[in-house]
Amino acid sequence: TQLLEQSPQFLSIQEGENLTVYCNSSSVFSSLQWYRQEPGEGPVLLVTVVTGGEVKKLKRLTFQFGDARKDSSLHITAAQPGDTGLYLCAARNSGYSTLTFGKGTMLLVSP
Amino acid sequence: GAGVSQSPSNKVTEKGKDVELRCDPISGHTALYWYRQSLGQGLEFLIYFQGNSAPDKSGLPSDRFSAERTGGSVSTLTIQRTQQEDSAVYLCASSLVRDREQYFGPGTRLTVT
Repeated sequence: TQLLEQSPQFLSIQEGENLTVYCNSSSVFSSLQWYRQEPGEGPVLLVTVVTGGEVKKLKRLTFQFGDARKDSSLHITAAQPGDTGLYLCAARNSGYSTLTFGKGTMLLVSP
Repeated sequence: GAGVSQSPSNKVTEKGKDVELRCDPISGHTALYWYRQSLGQGLEFLIYFQGNSAPDKSGLPSDRFSAERTGGSVSTLTIQRTQQEDSAVYLCASSLVRDREQYFGPGTRLTVT
């Protein structure tokens, strides 16, 4: 079973600041996903990355998949209070339908 | 359209009692997943159903846990003789077919006293 390490575990910042959160493993993934989860709700998929070195942008969010497909990062520019939530990465091994999730990074953006 | 729904939203039970948690997936989704989310532990895969195939039960933590999916739609997760360590949020997700995007329900928060 692959292990996904997310860092930091908790991040508290002011509105307008930039931040980066990380997802790392010693295993190679066929794909990696990022989710955001708000209190009392289930996770919502933000992006899926498949190709090593791939970069995807979603408004102020930039997702990068490592060249070796073992790690990923999520960068948020000019964070807003609406970005507050638990950010989870999840990976899938080739041939498996189940996802392995990291423990998440809890982000709090204060006005 | 309607998303994944789960019931109850909250359940408090006494240690040793059995509980049933229900999941209604998105209509037409053939794949259904159950996860457990404990504080500080992330999401833990429990069981996966795909159409009429035998479910993947590899994530169930003990034989006290079981799940059914009737008619390829609604699923019930049953925990027998609940223990305090079973306290967690139980999340259900469905996807159109395997390996496609999973849509999560809001979860059932289970508290075992």
